[in-house]
Amino acid sequence: EVQLVESGGGLVQPGRSLRLSCTGSGFTFGDYAMTWVRQAPGKGLEWVGFIRSKTYGGTTAYAASVQGRFTISRDDSKSIAYLQMDSLKTEDTAEYYCTRDFVGGVNRAAYDVWGQGTLVTVSS
Amino acid sequence: DIVMTQSPDSLTVSLGERATINCKSSQSVLSSSNNKNFLAWYQKKPGQPPKLLIYWASTRESGVPDRFSGSGSGTDFTLTISSLQAEDVALYYCQQYYSAPVTFGPGTRVDIK
Repeated sequence: EVQLVESGGGLVQPGRSLRLSCTGSGFTFGDYAMTWVRQAPGKGLEWVGFIRSKTYGGTTAYAASVQGRFTISRDDSKSIAYLQMDSLKTEDTAEYYCTRDFVGGVNRAAYDVWGQGTLVTVSS
Repeated sequence: DIVMTQSPDSLTVSLGERATINCKSSQSVLSSSNNKNFLAWYQKKPGQPPKLLIYWASTRESGVPDRFSGSGSGTDFTLTISSLQAEDVALYYCQQYYSAPVTFGPGTRVDIK
C-alpha cells in the first residue's frame, strides 16, 4: 500500500524550532518530488514548499510566508522527507500534510498521496 | 499568485440528487503547450487528509466513483456529483497547478438535506 506518515508535530513556543518527518512506503520514494501543504484551523489549504527528486537536483522552493524560516530536505535511503521549521510564529499553527507530486510540472503539481497530517501548535 | 474562488460556500442536497460546485481561477489555467487544464479537485472529510478526485480538470483518479465528474476550461470549472451518497458529505477544494505557487480554492461544504 502506498502510504505517507508524518510525525514530529506538537506544541512549541514562538521563536522555537520543530522538525517534521514524512516517511513513505509502498513506492520508490526517491523517484518523486514531495510537497508540504498546511491547513490552519478553520482555514483553507496552503502550499508550504517542495523538494524535487535527487535525479533532478533535489531543488527546493518555499512559500513567501515561510521563506528563510523553513527548510525541506530528504533522505531517500530512509524514504523520509523533512520539514525543518525555525523561528516559528503563532500563524504557523496548522495541520501539516506531506504529499506526493503526481501530475503537472516542476513545483506545480496535483497530489495523489497525502499523509494523515501532523498538528503543529505555536503558542506561549 | 492565481486566486481560486468557489461557489457556493455550502450546499445541501437530497440523497440521490445532483450536487454542482463551481470553481473560478483569476487567470486561465489552460496550457497552450499540451492543451490541458491544470486544475484538480479534492475531497476532504473531518480528521482525514484531502483525497484527489479529479485532475486535468476532468480525469478521474483511480478508484474514484464515476458519479464524480469534472468539467470546464480556461477559468471556469465544475465538479458534479451526479447522485449524492451519504459518504459524499465533505468539503471540496479545487486547486490550480498551472503556475507556482499552487493555490487552492476556499472550499465548498456539501451536506445532506
